[in-house]
Amino acid sequence: DGGITQSPKYLFRKEGQNVTLSCEQNLNHDAMYWYRQDPGQGLRLIYYSQIVNDFQKGDIAEGYSVSREKKESFPLTVTSAQKNPTAFYLCASSIEAGTDTQYFGPGTRLTVL
Amino acid sequence: GQSLEQPSEVTAVEGAIVQINCTYQTSGFYGLSWYQQHDGGAPTFLSYNALDGLEETGRFSSFLSRSDSYGYLLLQELQMKDSASYFCAVRDYTGGFKTIFGAGTRLFVKA
Repeated sequence: DGGITQSPKYLFRKEGQNVTLSCEQNLNHDAMYWYRQDPGQGLRLIYYSQIVNDFQKGDIAEGYSVSREKKESFPLTVTSAQKNPTAFYLCASSIEAGTDTQYFGPGTRLTVL
Repeated sequence: GQSLEQPSEVTAVEGAIVQINCTYQTSGFYGLSWYQQHDGGAPTFLSYNALDGLEETGRFSSFLSRSDSYGYLLLQELQMKDSASYFCAVRDYTGGFKTIFGAGTRLFVKA
């Protein structure tokens, strides 16, 4: 089955620790995205990548970092510089950047204690 | 700047029709999408309008008026499982293609 996987589903970390969220897709999509969703809010773009070894900052990139060394993988690191990291993180992919349909993973709920 | 507005909540009864409106402001508009998200789940794509008019997909239809910077999602024959959040999203080209999401409309379907 083709799709996007994110792991883990729930993640707890102590304040001041960096944490990396996994996102893998086997849809052969060029573009991948990371969004943050807070309770009752829409999705805010953190980073996106149009192709391997390339990525751009979204609207709320401060305190986050990404890499895109392989087409199928786009991990997100939440650093200690992110002031309010507790949120629901969603990874998505699309055939290419700017296409109308994005396919989302199940999300990772990060809680920083 | 770029902004989208949609109502925060809508309530309707099973079997009824409901319309969720979305107005947008963006300089590089390409098209309007709609996504559905159940509590705790991932958003799923529903529809996309690039041109003016109505697009129908089963019980769901989506409309766009580019001149009015306005669109809506129409849900017919409402079912309890339609209770979810619905997001409009603008495909925008301002310094590169991006998708900008609205804050979402929470739909409650009552029996």
